[in-house]
Amino acid sequence: QQQVKQSPQSLIVQKGGISIINCAYENTAFDYFPWYQQFPGKGPALLIAIRPDVSEKKEGRFTISFNKSAKQFSLHIMDSQPGDSATYFCAASILNTGNQFYFGTGTSLTVIP
Amino acid sequence: DAGITQSPRHKVTETGTPVTLRCHQTENHRYMYWYRQDPGHGLRLIHYSYGVKDTDKGEVSDGYSVSRSKTEDFLLTLESATSSQTSVYFCAISIAQTGAEAFFGQGTRLTVV
Repeated sequence: QQQVKQSPQSLIVQKGGISIINCAYENTAFDYFPWYQQFPGKGPALLIAIRPDVSEKKEGRFTISFNKSAKQFSLHIMDSQPGDSATYFCAASILNTGNQFYFGTGTSLTVIP
Repeated sequence: DAGITQSPRHKVTETGTPVTLRCHQTENHRYMYWYRQDPGHGLRLIHYSYGVKDTDKGEVSDGYSVSRSKTEDFLLTLESATSSQTSVYFCAISIAQTGAEAFFGQGTRLTVV
């Protein structure tokens, strides 16, 4: 079954708007939650990541919000730009085990100029 | 690209033939992974390795085998390719000792006809 559930599947946002992508997980052993950005024909690229000991992490226009009790985390893209149009994947893993990353099914973001 | 090279980048093969995909890293990173990416499924782990000759199965390992005889090379073999193995395959490495910060190669598009 899907270890990490991601929504929405696709998202269209006006330039300058806020893009929000949500993910939920069940396994409370997960302790590392990265987000990946993928452009067509390219491999996923690490965008930003968070550990469960903090509720928010911000890097430039990208922010992860983390709710440990609800087992949910989300990516917020502020002032969305056409260059942000890509597919975004959330993921979860357990550190220090060399273990696998469990990915969400992806969100295709289109930012309209 | 964190020094990851996948080869070949594209391949078309016939059902029933063996296929080997290669992942090469230029650094001595411990963890290496093979994922497949399919629409609606995101990225799913096939096999991973935490050192030379140390490998383990991921969630979709049936029909695949791997080998890691050198730190820098991680090979994925489809013993007898089937149409269901038509996919984009990504190799990833984790640069952190904790297993975090996975970086992906450019991918191999495999078509089984």
